[in-house]
Amino acid sequence: GAGVSQSPSNKVTEKGKDVELRCDPISGHTALYWYRQSLGQGLEFLIYFQGNSAPDKSGLPSDRFSAERTGGSVSTLTIQRTQQEDSAVYLCASSPHSGYEQYFGPGTRLTVT
Amino acid sequence: QKEVEQNSGPLSVPEGAIASLNCTYSDRGSQSFFWYRQYSGKSPELIMFIYSNGDKEDGRFTAQLNKASQYVSLLIRDSQPSDSATYLCAVNTNAGKSTFGDGTTLTVKP
Repeated sequence: GAGVSQSPSNKVTEKGKDVELRCDPISGHTALYWYRQSLGQGLEFLIYFQGNSAPDKSGLPSDRFSAERTGGSVSTLTIQRTQQEDSAVYLCASSPHSGYEQYFGPGTRLTVT
Repeated sequence: QKEVEQNSGPLSVPEGAIASLNCTYSDRGSQSFFWYRQYSGKSPELIMFIYSNGDKEDGRFTAQLNKASQYVSLLIRDSQPSDSATYLCAVNTNAGKSTFGDGTTLTVKP
């Protein structure tokens, strides 16, 4: 079946602009995660959705970052007033349920110039 | 102390040898444990998961869990050059959120 998809695959934006990154999880998966990975670094947790529960936003680095998940499926990560330090690969993963294995999308490479 | 710790490596083994990757975690309430492989420039992909103490084998891979010692490991038998990658250990608590280690880079030399 179809895996996790993310769009766009690459995004170049100017400092100060807003960007939206999209994630389509595997159908039926109730948990969805966003991570950030800078070059040569580990995964940095950003936010986690489980079903209709309030999301765990504990990893969002600043109030410029927000995410929503509509209808328990598609998720959008929004970064407002982008900064150069926001440049990284943003990874989305979905899971059949929280606590289970995660399946990652191909990522969105964000470059802020 | 990090919640999940891995030796960063690089770990280098000859082709055909056993590669041993280790991970320790701090939260005794952790319930499930995962190993992911990440090739350079690619996304992580699941290799194995383990929930109970002991060993779990899948082909050339064996995951080992010792909750008393808060330790989980991954053994790769008959290592191949295609196994060269970064291996990420992930630990889930009751809250459902995964905490990832920074990864161990493995190089298998022909």
